[in-house]
Amino acid sequence: GAGVSQTPSNKVTEKGKYVELRCDPISGHTALYWYRQSLGQGPEFLIYFQGTGAADDSGLPNDRFFAVRPEGSVSTLKIQRTERGDSAVYLCASSLMGRERWETQYFGPGTRLLVL
Amino acid sequence: SQELEQSPQSLIVQEGKNLTINCTSSKTLYGLYWYKQKYGEGLIFLMMLQKGGEEKSHEKITAKLDEKKQQSSLHITASQPSHAGIYLCGADKSGNTPLVFGKGTRLSVIA
Repeated sequence: GAGVSQTPSNKVTEKGKYVELRCDPISGHTALYWYRQSLGQGPEFLIYFQGTGAADDSGLPNDRFFAVRPEGSVSTLKIQRTERGDSAVYLCASSLMGRERWETQYFGPGTRLLVL
Repeated sequence: SQELEQSPQSLIVQEGKNLTINCTSSKTLYGLYWYKQKYGEGLIFLMMLQKGGEEKSHEKITAKLDEKKQQSSLHITASQPSHAGIYLCGADKSGNTPLVFGKGTRLSVIA
C-alpha cells in the first residue's frame, strides 16, 4: 500500500481480556517497529523486527506483551490479560532496511487502545 | 539512556507569526528527526539532520542541528493554521533503528 496501515483504529476492551493489534508496513520495507504513546508523551519503543525475527524486544514492558511477524510483512502485537495501564496509542512504523544509520521510519495512524 | 527535552511544551501563536521549537539532548545526537502529529493521525516525517551545523528547509519550516550535535531547533516562518499540531523530535540512539522521542510541543495557530 501507499503507507503503513494499522487495524483496528480504535479498540475498547475489558481488563483481563486479550487483544491483537495489526500492522501492515509499506511494501518492501524489511524493518518494522512498534511504539506505544501515552497521553502527553512521545512514542516509546516496544519492539523492532528485521524481517521475520525480532531484532530488539528490549522495550516490551513485561511478558504479557508479544509480537510476531511470521512472513516478514504484516505484524501483530498481542497483549494478554490487559490492564488499565495498557491504555495508549500503539504506533507501528516501517523503514526500508533497518540496517543503515539515519534511515527514515514511516508511521501508521496508530491503534487507540482503551482498557476499561 | 539518551533523553530528549523539548521546549516549549505548548505554544499558541497568531497566524502569520514566526516561531521556534527546541529539542535538547543529554548526549550527542547521531541522527535527529522531526515529526509532526495530528490527532487521529500518525507521525508525519518532516526532516532528518545528521551533521553538526546542518540546516534543512521544506516550505516554511527550517530545522537546524547545532555544531555540537546536542540541540536542534525547528523554525516556522509565517505560521498558518495548517501548521497546528504536535511536533516531536526523535533521536537515533546509537546508529540504527529504534528512536527515542521527546514529549512533543503542541502548537496552536489562531487566526
